[in-house]
Amino acid sequence: EDKVVQSPLSLVVHEGDTVTLNCSYEVTNFRSLLWYKQEKKAPTFLFMLTSSGIEKKSGRLSSILDKKELSSILNITATQTGDSAIYLCAVDGNKLVFGAGTILRVKS
Amino acid sequence: EAQVTQNPRYLITVTGKKLTVTCSQNMNHEYMSWYRQDPGLGLRQIYYSMNVEVTDKGDVPEGYKVSRKEKRNFPLILESPSPNQTSLYFCASSLSGSREQFFGPGTRLTVL
Repeated sequence: EDKVVQSPLSLVVHEGDTVTLNCSYEVTNFRSLLWYKQEKKAPTFLFMLTSSGIEKKSGRLSSILDKKELSSILNITATQTGDSAIYLCAVDGNKLVFGAGTILRVKS
Repeated sequence: EAQVTQNPRYLITVTGKKLTVTCSQNMNHEYMSWYRQDPGLGLRQIYYSMNVEVTDKGDVPEGYKVSRKEKRNFPLILESPSPNQTSLYFCASSLSGSREQFFGPGTRLTVL
């Protein structure tokens, strides 16, 4: 059965800290891994990583895909209170499977 | 503005009373999908549609129905809601072949 596991489940940091969120997966016919940010309600797309694009960066956020370890990390540097959200990892194989998410709270 | 809309945003109902949650997108996307989100379980797919008149079951389809008569609309129907269907529901859409999905604002459903 396909599964996606995210860790930690939640964390609290102070503004300015750097955080690393983890996503590991077991899926059939891996095609891509996606990261979403969910503030208050609807998830919004952050990155998509594939075999041909294993590293993405946008401002203070970056993500790396490790196909050997079947995992990905999402890094956020110099965190701000606006980074507080649930971060969702989803893996596209035979179907799209979401992890349970990591709840990040950034304290000022 | 490109968006996915859902209605209602909040709904409290009683067991057995049929309800419909509407979903509409204005991006001409072929693919549409319904998810439910429960604490600790993440997003689980209920049904999806690859195009008009083409729908298929996701991971948790029991107790739900969908239809796709028009490209822009993908309503979710609960014929006889039960308390275990209390959840936060999201509709999403994307271009065919793309996994970058656009999500609606969510519908918080409570079944008493």
